[in-house]
Amino acid sequence: GNSVTQMEGPVTLSEEAFLTINCTYTATGYPSLFWYVQYPGEGLQLLLKATKADDKGSNKGFEATYRKETTSFHLEKGSVQVSDSAVYFCAPRDGGSQGNLIFGKGTKLSVKP
Amino acid sequence: GAVVSQHPSWVICKSGTSVKIECRSLDFQATTMFWYRQFPKQSLMLMATSNEGSKATYEQGVEKDKFLINHASLTLSTLTVTSAHPEDSSFYICSALDRAQYSYNSPLHFGNGTRLTVT
Repeated sequence: GNSVTQMEGPVTLSEEAFLTINCTYTATGYPSLFWYVQYPGEGLQLLLKATKADDKGSNKGFEATYRKETTSFHLEKGSVQVSDSAVYFCAPRDGGSQGNLIFGKGTKLSVKP
Repeated sequence: GAVVSQHPSWVICKSGTSVKIECRSLDFQATTMFWYRQFPKQSLMLMATSNEGSKATYEQGVEKDKFLINHASLTLSTLTVTSAHPEDSSFYICSALDRAQYSYNSPLHFGNGTRLTVT
C-alpha cells in the first residue's frame, strides 16, 4: 500500500542553521505532495505543496521539490528560527478527488537560541 | 480563508459516558471530512471518512458502533465516542475538503484537535 518514510527525529538545531528533513514515499499513480506542520497542542497547518514532477513548493522560507524519479519530497530551510520548532509531516495525497492524506511518523524539530 | 473549527478543544469525561466532538468548516462547504486519532509522539491514524448525507467509511480496526460519525450538513461533522474508556483517551483531529476545490491536488484543512481524557 501507500506509505511515507520520514527521517527519524527529534532534530535539534541552533538558530540560523540549515534544515533538511528527508521524505520518501510509495504511492500508486501520481500523487500530490504536501508538507504539514503541527505546533504543540494544535492541529495541522499546510506548509507547502507540489502537484507535479519538478514543482517546487515554498512558504515561510521552507522549500521542497517534487522528485518523481526518486519519489522524494525533502523539506529544506536555509536558516531556521526558534519559532520553527514543531512537528513536520510529509503527506502524499492518495489518488482521486476524495483521497486522504497518507502520513508518515512526523519529524520533531527543536531549534535552540 | 479555509478555516476549520473543532470543538471542544479539550474534554475530560468519566468512564462509561459519551462525548461528542464537532468539526465545522467556517467559510467553505465540505462534502468530505476525515477523522483522525493521534497518540503521543505518533502520527495521525485515519479513523474514518465522512461524506455529507451518507454513512461514514471506517478504516479497518475502528469500531463504528463506538465512534459514531454524523455528517448531516455541508459544514458540520460530528464524532461521538460512546461509552468512553480510559484507552480512548487521545488527541482527535478532523480535516475537511473544500467542495469548491474538489481535486486531487487541493489540500485538506485541519481543525485544531480535541484532547479527550477519560477518567
